[in-house]
Amino acid sequence: GIQVEQSPPDLILQEGANSTLRCNFSDSVNNLQWFHQNPWGQLINLFYIPSGTKQNGRLSATTVATERYSLLYISSSQTTDSGVYFCAVRQTGGTSYGKLTFGQGTILTVHP
Amino acid sequence: GAVVSQHPSRVICKSGTSVKIECRSLDFQATTMFWYRQFPKQSLMLMATSNEGSKATYEQGVEKDKFLINHASLTLSTLTVTSAHPEDSSFYICSASNYNEQFFGPGTRLTVL
Repeated sequence: GIQVEQSPPDLILQEGANSTLRCNFSDSVNNLQWFHQNPWGQLINLFYIPSGTKQNGRLSATTVATERYSLLYISSSQTTDSGVYFCAVRQTGGTSYGKLTFGQGTILTVHP
Repeated sequence: GAVVSQHPSRVICKSGTSVKIECRSLDFQATTMFWYRQFPKQSLMLMATSNEGSKATYEQGVEKDKFLINHASLTLSTLTVTSAHPEDSSFYICSASNYNEQFFGPGTRLTVL
C-alpha cells in the first residue's frame, strides 16, 4: 500500500514563529487532506488539497502531486495551534469514496 | 464543513460486555463511512469501510465478528465491539465522506475493565 511520511515528528515553537510541516507519499494520489487533532481528539479539517495551493488565514498548504509531497505552512503561530497535525492521502485507482492512509503526524507545541 | 457526530463520547465497561458506538452525518448523506482506531500517541488506523446497504469491508487483521458494523441508512453507521476485552480499550473515530473529503466525528474513548 501507499506510504505516507511526515516530518518533523516533533516541533516546538515560540508564539509568533512560522513553521513548515512536510508530507511525502510514495504513489499517485487523488485526495490529500491536512488535519489538526486537538487535545480532545477531534480531527479538524484544515485543507482538502490534492494539488495546488490554498490559504486560510494564517495557514496555507501546497501540494506538488508530480513530486509526491505536500507542505503545510503555519505563520505567526499561537498557543492554540498546538496539537497533532496529520496528513492523509487516498491512492489513485481507488473509488472516489476510497480510504485514507494517514501519516504518523507532527506534534506541534507552541509556547507563550 | 460537514458535521459528523459520534455517541457516546466515553464508555467504561466490564470485560465480556458489548458496546455499540453510533456515527451520524448530520448535514449530508454519506454512502460510505469509515471506522478508525487510535492508540495513545499513534496515528489513526483504518479498521473498516462501511457501505450503506451492504456488508462492511474490513482491513487485514481486523476481526469482523468482533467489530460488527451496520450502515442502515445514509446518515448512520454503528460499530459494535462484541465481548470486549481490555486490549480493545482505545479511541474509536468514525468519518463520513462527501465524495471528496472525509469529515470526522469527535471520537469515542472506550475503556474495558
